[in-house]
Amino acid sequence: AQTVTQSQPEMSVQEAETVTLSCTYDTSESDYYLFWYKQPPSRQMILVIRQEAYKQQNATENRFSVNFQKAAKSFSLKISDSQLGDAAMYFCAYRRSGTYKYIFGTGTRLKVLA
Amino acid sequence: DSGVTQTPKHLITATGQRVTLRCSPRSGDLSVYWYQQSLDQGLQFLIQYYNGEERAKGNILERFSAQQFPDLHSELNLSSLELGDSALYFCASSVEGVDEKLFFGSGTQLSVL
Repeated sequence: AQTVTQSQPEMSVQEAETVTLSCTYDTSESDYYLFWYKQPPSRQMILVIRQEAYKQQNATENRFSVNFQKAAKSFSLKISDSQLGDAAMYFCAYRRSGTYKYIFGTGTRLKVLA
Repeated sequence: DSGVTQTPKHLITATGQRVTLRCSPRSGDLSVYWYQQSLDQGLQFLIQYYNGEERAKGNILERFSAQQFPDLHSELNLSSLELGDSALYFCASSVEGVDEKLFFGSGTQLSVL
């Protein structure tokens, strides 16, 4: 069965600095999608970034980028120039292509220090 | 605003009761997903509907049921409620295709007292 592991329950970063959140997953599939979702104190789940496994190029959305290492089954999220509004829970998620079940990790709580 | 609407935002009830949570997906989205998030936990997949039909089932209790109606809105029914059912219940919708991604509603916070 596929699993998603976020080994960092909590991380802290100084405002304007860079932080990397880790995510590993276990799958025997070759075609799948990976996601990072942000859950701020409002508890709304917001899509941050999406990566297709067949693409070698790492996805980027403004200050957010990923380091996708398919062979290592690693999918880390890098947040550059951290802002106070980045403080949230971040969830990594996996979906196998052709299926409809998204599997989420347990989340990493990011604190941004002024 | 994701375009997914969930009502009510908060629900307080007693053990043994039955409640219904409602979700309206984004315009054009045929898929609706239900997730449960307990305190400081990740999201647990409950069930998915596509265009009115059940498509995938997760760890949904027998006391819980769901359906998707012809207008594509969905309802999650929770019965014989227990204290442990207290959680944030999310609905998400998606349009399937190569660019598929989930869009979440703001959730219904259920408190069972």
